[in-house]
Amino acid sequence: GEDVEQSLFLSVREGDSSVINCTYTDSSSTYLYWYKQEPGAGLQLLTYIFSNMDMKQDQRLTVLLNKKDKHLSLRIADTQTGDSAIYFCAEIRNAGNMLTFGGGTRLMVKP
Amino acid sequence: SQTIHQWPATLVQPVGSPLSLECTVEGTSNPNLYWYRQAAGRGLQLLFYSVGIGQISSEVPQNLSASRPQDRQFILSSKKLLLSDSGFYLCAWGQGAGEKLFFGSGTQLSVL
Repeated sequence: GEDVEQSLFLSVREGDSSVINCTYTDSSSTYLYWYKQEPGAGLQLLTYIFSNMDMKQDQRLTVLLNKKDKHLSLRIADTQTGDSAIYFCAEIRNAGNMLTFGGGTRLMVKP
Repeated sequence: SQTIHQWPATLVQPVGSPLSLECTVEGTSNPNLYWYRQAAGRGLQLLFYSVGIGQISSEVPQNLSASRPQDRQFILSSKKLLLSDSGFYLCAWGQGAGEKLFFGSGTQLSVL
């Protein structure tokens, strides 16, 4: 199976919170990342968390890391239509310096 | 500040034609450089990465090749394009421990 897995779609209403989930398999992951891709554009680094942290908050974004379950989530508070995009989680491992990406979650925000 | 440039933004090529996509990075030295392909707006597939001039590692066997003639220049090429080469190609650079990647704006390649 894939090393990093995400659900394909998430649909929320404007103003609600969005939670995008990601699971990974390698316990040696050192950094975990969230990237955002708007239509026809490259990936934009949103935030990242070091593996010895449980939570990181940055304005409307909250990243939660459960190392025991190898589960990473991105919560977007007060979701706006401009948040509609594909969100990728990615990990980097002790053994190297290359990122492994999940397949991406398409977030649709309805007005 | 560092910037990454990738061109062209869109490209339509016939099957069997050659390909050359270029990526340059400014504002840093000795970056790690990457080429990714994204099919149908979905997951990213790592094609090539480079840790230095002339050093290219291929992740997926195919009819594409990459070259790094200068420290901050990364080129993706093909001698003869296939229909299956269509996709969105992304160049990225990173540096150091906890490698955060910064992506170019991408090239949408359509092979007809």
